[in-house]
Amino acid sequence: DTAVSQTPKYLVTQMGNDKSIKCEQNLGHDTMYWYKQDSKKFLKIMFSYNNKELIINETVPNRFSPKSPDKAHLNLHINSLELGDSAVYFCASSQEAGANVLTFGAGSRLTVL
Amino acid sequence: GQNIDQPTEMTATEGAIVQINCTYQTSGFNGLFWYQQHAGEAPTFLSYNVLDGLEEKGRFSSFLSRSKGYSYLLLKELQMKDSASYLCAVRDLSGNDYKLSFGAGTTVTVRA
Repeated sequence: DTAVSQTPKYLVTQMGNDKSIKCEQNLGHDTMYWYKQDSKKFLKIMFSYNNKELIINETVPNRFSPKSPDKAHLNLHINSLELGDSAVYFCASSQEAGANVLTFGAGSRLTVL
Repeated sequence: GQNIDQPTEMTATEGAIVQINCTYQTSGFNGLFWYQQHAGEAPTFLSYNVLDGLEEKGRFSSFLSRSKGYSYLLLKELQMKDSASYLCAVRDLSGNDYKLSFGAGTTVTVRA
């Protein structure tokens, strides 16, 4: 029933590890996003995909690699995790490209020790 | 890029009215959004302005002045469940597409 679902909800890991967060939407939307919300609550866009094609890639370290196998899925893989990667990562989708009304997932809280 | 400023915190009494101001600076403005985020939850869409003026949606209204780079969200007849963070977001052109950039949010606390 969930519109935008992301897993896992919580992730605790050691520095240097590689981890992935998965996201799926069942709204039939064309565009998906990854946002990062840090401890100061700033919600900052990382990536945007429209129909599996990367359209927005903000200044994000190469250690972050998004993958969209189809337009309903957008996964985020992070290599060599650092302390500063600790944040809540939100997946979102919109009906079409252009950052119209976004529907967010519940968030994945990543803690790097 | 853009700068989006909004107050950090506001407190109001149940039944009262609160106005959350947001100012922004951007080069390719194409709309202003307000989202509500309860603690530990996902942001949810509240309102959208692209033209100057007031948009009313039940107890919530949002106003935009593009020439002043200014918006506000008005919450009327406050209820305890309105205690949340309210995020102002600006849509502007980024390369060949639009992106939504958020302010840091205003935490509203409603007291009985």
